[in-house]
Amino acid sequence: QVQLVQSGAEVKKPGSSVKVSCQASGGTFSSLDLNWVRQAPGQGLEWMGGVIPIFGAANYAQKFQGRVTITADESTSTAYMALSSLRSEDTAVYYCAIRPTSVNWFDPWGQGTLVTVSS
Amino acid sequence: SYVMTQPPSESVAPGQTARITCGGNKIGSKSVHWYQQKAGQAPVLVVYDDSDRPSGIPERFSGSNSGNTATLIISRVEAGDEADYYCQVWDSSSDLPYVFGTGTKVTVL
Repeated sequence: QVQLVQSGAEVKKPGSSVKVSCQASGGTFSSLDLNWVRQAPGQGLEWMGGVIPIFGAANYAQKFQGRVTITADESTSTAYMALSSLRSEDTAVYYCAIRPTSVNWFDPWGQGTLVTVSS
Repeated sequence: SYVMTQPPSESVAPGQTARITCGGNKIGSKSVHWYQQKAGQAPVLVVYDDSDRPSGIPERFSGSNSGNTATLIISRVEAGDEADYYCQVWDSSSDLPYVFGTGTKVTVL
């Protein structure tokens, strides 16, 4: 079973950028479909985008196009989600999650990374 | 993008059955997946493809999907089932392909 471990909490200023990591173990990293889902305080879940390392190119939710970059480093089995031009509304817990091959659900999930945007 | 609506909250006594609905236009034509999220934790998949359970999920969790409503059913509710529950679908025609419902807080009385 694949396990995902994410980087620690971040505090950022408005207008800055953040990069969150997600390291996978226990599976063939290059073929994993690694996705990012965020959850604002007290709110629901929102899919941001995903990447399959062996294919390279990521796909993104239109809402985040131009502000989010999702990448993967096969040498360290780590996926990254970078979000730029941060605003207070980006304060949220960011989760990485795997979409198993040929299905459309997410399992397992990382433990989450809290990103706080505050001046 | 596709919209799915869930009741904000449901209360159920231990040992009873909880039914959590997820409403969406012709949702019966889609595969619905359900996640349980306990306070301060990451979501966990409890039902996929309307009614199948991942390994390790108790048989008390089941689901159905027809028409405009999908339902997660939790039988013989236990205190440990208290959590937020989210439905999720894949919408191939949308700019937001993976959509989550609004979430339901289940309280065990």
